[in-house]
Amino acid sequence: SAVISQKPSRDICQRGTSLTIQCQVDSQVTMMFWYRQQPGQSLTLIATANQGSEATYESGFVIDKFPISRPNLTFSTLTVSNMSPEDSSIYLCSVRDRDYEQYFGPGTRLTVT
Amino acid sequence: AQSVTQPDIHITVSEGASLELRCNYSYGATPYLFWYVQSPGQGLQLLLKYFSGDTLVQGIKGFEAEFKRSQSSFNLRKPSVHWSDAAEYFCAVGAGTASKLTFGTGTRLQVTL
Repeated sequence: SAVISQKPSRDICQRGTSLTIQCQVDSQVTMMFWYRQQPGQSLTLIATANQGSEATYESGFVIDKFPISRPNLTFSTLTVSNMSPEDSSIYLCSVRDRDYEQYFGPGTRLTVT
Repeated sequence: AQSVTQPDIHITVSEGASLELRCNYSYGATPYLFWYVQSPGQGLQLLLKYFSGDTLVQGIKGFEAEFKRSQSSFNLRKPSVHWSDAAEYFCAVGAGTASKLTFGTGTRLQVTL
Protein backbone atom coordinates (compact mmCIF):
# COMPACT_ATOMS: atom_id res chain seq x y z
CA SER A 1 0.00 0.00 0.00
CA ALA A 2 1.06 3.57 -0.62
CA VAL A 3 2.38 5.69 2.22
CA ILE A 4 0.99 9.20 2.15
CA SER A 5 2.15 12.20 4.14
CA GLN A 6 0.53 15.58 4.46
CA LYS A 7 1.80 18.93 5.62
CA PRO A 8 0.83 20.67 7.78
CA SER A 9 -0.94 18.24 10.07
CA ARG A 10 -2.98 21.08 11.53
CA ASP A 11 -3.20 24.84 11.36
CA ILE A 12 -5.19 27.72 12.73
CA CYS A 13 -5.71 30.49 10.20
CA GLN A 14 -7.39 33.85 10.13
CA ARG A 15 -10.38 34.65 8.02
CA GLY A 16 -9.47 35.91 4.56
CA THR A 17 -6.10 34.22 4.34
CA SER A 18 -5.05 31.18 2.31
CA LEU A 19 -3.42 27.89 3.25
CA THR A 20 -1.62 25.44 1.01
CA ILE A 21 -1.66 21.79 1.98
CA GLN A 22 0.95 19.42 0.61
CA CYS A 23 0.49 15.74 -0.15
CA GLN A 24 3.47 13.46 -0.79
CA VAL A 25 3.25 9.80 -1.82
CA ASP A 26 6.08 7.30 -1.55
CA SER A 27 5.42 5.85 -5.01
CA GLN A 28 4.17 7.04 -8.37
CA VAL A 29 0.40 6.95 -8.63
CA THR A 30 -1.92 7.85 -11.44
CA MET A 31 -4.91 8.94 -9.43
CA MET A 32 -4.81 11.44 -6.58
CA PHE A 33 -7.80 13.01 -4.90
CA TRP A 34 -8.64 15.65 -2.32
CA TYR A 35 -11.48 15.17 0.16
CA ARG A 36 -13.00 17.34 2.85
CA GLN A 37 -14.41 16.11 6.13
CA GLN A 38 -16.36 18.78 7.95
CA PRO A 39 -16.72 18.46 11.73
CA GLY A 40 -18.71 15.38 12.62
CA GLN A 41 -19.46 14.66 8.97
CA SER A 42 -18.53 12.17 6.32
CA LEU A 43 -16.04 12.72 3.54
CA THR A 44 -16.82 14.68 0.42
CA LEU A 45 -14.71 14.60 -2.71
CA ILE A 46 -13.40 18.03 -3.67
CA ALA A 47 -11.50 17.20 -6.84
CA THR A 48 -9.33 14.79 -8.76
CA ALA A 49 -5.77 16.06 -9.11
CA ASN A 50 -4.63 15.36 -12.66
CA GLN A 51 -0.93 15.22 -13.41
CA GLY A 52 0.05 17.85 -15.93
CA SER A 53 -3.42 19.28 -16.39
CA GLU A 54 -6.12 21.13 -14.53
CA ALA A 55 -7.89 19.36 -11.68
CA THR A 56 -11.41 18.02 -12.12
CA TYR A 57 -13.75 19.54 -9.55
CA GLU A 58 -16.91 18.07 -8.10
CA SER A 59 -20.16 19.94 -7.95
CA GLY A 60 -20.03 22.70 -5.37
CA PHE A 61 -16.26 23.14 -5.50
CA VAL A 62 -14.50 25.67 -7.75
CA ILE A 63 -10.93 26.25 -8.78
CA ASP A 64 -10.81 29.82 -7.49
CA LYS A 65 -11.56 28.61 -3.99
CA PHE A 66 -9.59 25.35 -4.05
CA PRO A 67 -6.75 25.59 -6.57
CA ILE A 68 -4.88 22.32 -6.95
CA SER A 69 -1.50 21.54 -8.41
CA ARG A 70 -0.10 18.17 -9.45
CA PRO A 71 3.39 18.69 -10.85
CA ASN A 72 4.36 15.02 -10.86
CA LEU A 73 3.11 11.53 -10.00
CA THR A 74 4.04 11.69 -6.30
CA PHE A 75 3.04 15.18 -5.18
CA SER A 76 0.03 17.46 -5.07
CA THR A 77 -1.06 20.61 -3.28
CA LEU A 78 -4.48 21.94 -2.34
CA THR A 79 -4.91 25.61 -1.48
CA VAL A 80 -7.87 26.80 0.52
CA SER A 81 -8.29 30.43 -0.52
CA ASN A 82 -9.92 33.40 1.16
CA MET A 83 -10.86 31.25 4.11
CA SER A 84 -13.95 31.62 6.24
CA PRO A 85 -14.94 29.72 9.39
CA GLU A 86 -17.05 27.42 7.20
CA ASP A 87 -13.81 26.08 5.71
CA SER A 88 -12.83 24.60 9.06
CA SER A 89 -12.48 20.93 8.23
CA ILE A 90 -10.10 18.07 7.86
CA TYR A 91 -8.65 17.93 4.36
CA LEU A 92 -7.46 14.55 3.18
CA CYS A 93 -5.38 13.50 0.25
CA SER A 94 -5.93 10.05 -1.20
CA VAL A 95 -4.43 7.91 -3.93
CA ARG A 96 -5.68 4.95 -5.89
CA ASP A 97 -3.18 2.24 -6.58
CA ARG A 98 -3.01 -0.24 -9.45
CA ASP A 99 -5.21 -2.69 -7.53
CA TYR A 100 -7.94 -0.04 -7.33
CA GLU A 101 -7.49 0.33 -3.60
CA GLN A 102 -7.72 3.87 -2.33
CA TYR A 103 -5.54 5.01 0.56
CA PHE A 104 -5.75 8.18 2.59
CA GLY A 105 -3.25 10.48 4.13
CA PRO A 106 -3.45 11.42 7.81
CA GLY A 107 -5.30 14.62 7.01
CA THR A 108 -4.80 18.32 7.70
CA ARG A 109 -7.00 19.73 10.42
CA LEU A 110 -7.80 23.34 9.56
CA THR A 111 -9.43 25.80 11.94
CA VAL A 112 -10.40 29.22 10.63
CA THR A 113 -10.97 31.98 13.16
CA ALA B 1 -24.86 8.90 -9.50
CA GLN B 2 -23.95 6.49 -6.77
CA SER B 3 -24.98 6.82 -3.13
CA VAL B 4 -24.40 5.03 0.16
CA THR B 5 -26.65 4.71 3.19
CA GLN B 6 -25.47 3.67 6.61
CA PRO B 7 -28.68 3.44 8.61
CA ASP B 8 -27.09 3.24 12.02
CA ILE B 9 -25.49 6.43 13.28
CA HIS B 10 -24.33 4.94 16.57
CA ILE B 11 -24.02 1.36 17.79
CA THR B 12 -22.96 0.09 21.19
CA VAL B 13 -21.82 -3.48 21.72
CA SER B 14 -20.19 -5.32 24.59
CA GLU B 15 -16.65 -6.53 24.22
CA GLY B 16 -16.68 -10.09 22.93
CA ALA B 17 -20.07 -9.71 21.28
CA SER B 18 -20.60 -10.00 17.55
CA LEU B 19 -20.98 -6.95 15.34
CA GLU B 20 -22.76 -6.14 12.12
CA LEU B 21 -22.67 -2.69 10.55
CA ARG B 22 -25.10 -2.08 7.73
CA CYS B 23 -24.38 -0.49 4.39
CA ASN B 24 -26.71 -0.08 1.43
CA TYR B 25 -25.56 1.33 -1.86
CA SER B 26 -27.12 2.62 -5.02
CA TYR B 27 -25.29 2.19 -8.29
CA GLY B 28 -26.40 1.02 -11.70
CA ALA B 29 -23.55 -1.31 -12.49
CA THR B 30 -21.28 -3.57 -10.47
CA PRO B 31 -19.92 -1.38 -7.69
CA TYR B 32 -16.54 -1.15 -6.10
CA LEU B 33 -17.25 -1.30 -2.35
CA PHE B 34 -15.04 -0.41 0.57
CA TRP B 35 -15.10 -0.26 4.33
CA TYR B 36 -12.84 2.18 6.17
CA VAL B 37 -12.25 2.76 9.86
CA GLN B 38 -11.33 6.09 11.41
CA SER B 39 -10.12 6.17 14.98
CA PRO B 40 -10.32 9.47 16.88
CA GLY B 41 -7.80 11.92 15.49
CA GLN B 42 -6.60 9.44 12.92
CA GLY B 43 -6.82 9.10 9.16
CA LEU B 44 -8.87 6.50 7.35
CA GLN B 45 -7.66 2.91 7.25
CA LEU B 46 -8.89 0.51 4.59
CA LEU B 47 -10.48 -2.56 6.20
CA LEU B 48 -11.55 -4.45 3.10
CA LYS B 49 -12.88 -4.11 -0.40
CA TYR B 50 -15.10 -5.88 -2.92
CA PHE B 51 -14.63 -5.64 -6.64
CA SER B 52 -15.80 -8.99 -7.99
CA GLY B 53 -15.69 -12.72 -7.35
CA ASP B 54 -16.39 -14.27 -3.97
CA THR B 55 -19.09 -12.22 -2.30
CA LEU B 56 -17.68 -12.82 1.18
CA VAL B 57 -14.49 -10.85 1.61
CA GLN B 58 -12.03 -10.95 4.44
CA GLY B 59 -10.24 -7.90 5.71
CA ILE B 60 -7.82 -6.82 8.35
CA LYS B 61 -8.39 -6.94 12.10
CA GLY B 62 -10.75 -9.92 11.82
CA PHE B 63 -13.43 -8.08 9.83
CA GLU B 64 -15.39 -9.53 6.94
CA ALA B 65 -18.12 -8.22 4.67
CA GLU B 66 -20.67 -9.83 2.41
CA PHE B 67 -21.82 -8.37 -0.88
CA LYS B 68 -25.47 -9.07 -1.62
CA ARG B 69 -26.45 -7.75 -5.01
CA SER B 70 -30.15 -8.55 -4.56
CA GLN B 71 -30.26 -6.40 -1.44
CA SER B 72 -27.74 -3.76 -2.61
CA SER B 73 -25.94 -4.31 0.64
CA PHE B 74 -22.37 -4.69 1.84
CA ASN B 75 -22.58 -5.28 5.58
CA LEU B 76 -19.49 -5.43 7.76
CA ARG B 77 -19.20 -8.12 10.41
CA LYS B 78 -16.89 -9.22 13.16
CA PRO B 79 -17.55 -12.28 15.34
CA SER B 80 -16.01 -10.90 18.52
CA VAL B 81 -15.45 -7.21 19.10
CA HIS B 82 -12.46 -5.85 21.01
CA TRP B 83 -12.41 -2.59 22.93
CA SER B 84 -9.87 -1.25 20.42
CA ASP B 85 -12.48 -1.55 17.66
CA ALA B 86 -14.27 1.52 18.99
CA ALA B 87 -14.11 4.00 16.11
CA GLU B 88 -16.06 5.49 13.21
CA TYR B 89 -16.75 3.15 10.31
CA PHE B 90 -17.41 4.36 6.80
CA CYS B 91 -18.78 2.44 3.85
CA ALA B 92 -17.91 3.78 0.41
CA VAL B 93 -18.82 3.01 -3.18
CA GLY B 94 -16.75 3.74 -6.23
CA ALA B 95 -17.97 3.91 -9.77
CA GLY B 96 -16.18 2.57 -12.80
CA THR B 97 -12.55 2.06 -11.90
CA ALA B 98 -13.12 2.86 -8.22
CA SER B 99 -11.80 6.35 -8.72
CA LYS B 100 -14.25 8.72 -7.14
CA LEU B 101 -15.58 7.37 -3.87
CA THR B 102 -18.91 8.29 -2.35
CA PHE B 103 -18.99 7.79 1.39
CA GLY B 104 -21.81 6.99 3.74
CA THR B 105 -22.39 9.15 6.78
CA GLY B 106 -20.59 6.70 9.03
CA THR B 107 -21.45 4.55 12.04
CA ARG B 108 -19.86 5.29 15.36
CA LEU B 109 -19.08 2.11 17.28
CA GLN B 110 -18.84 2.18 21.03
CA VAL B 111 -17.57 -0.90 22.88
CA THR B 112 -18.46 -1.44 26.50
CA LEU B 113 -16.31 -3.56 28.78
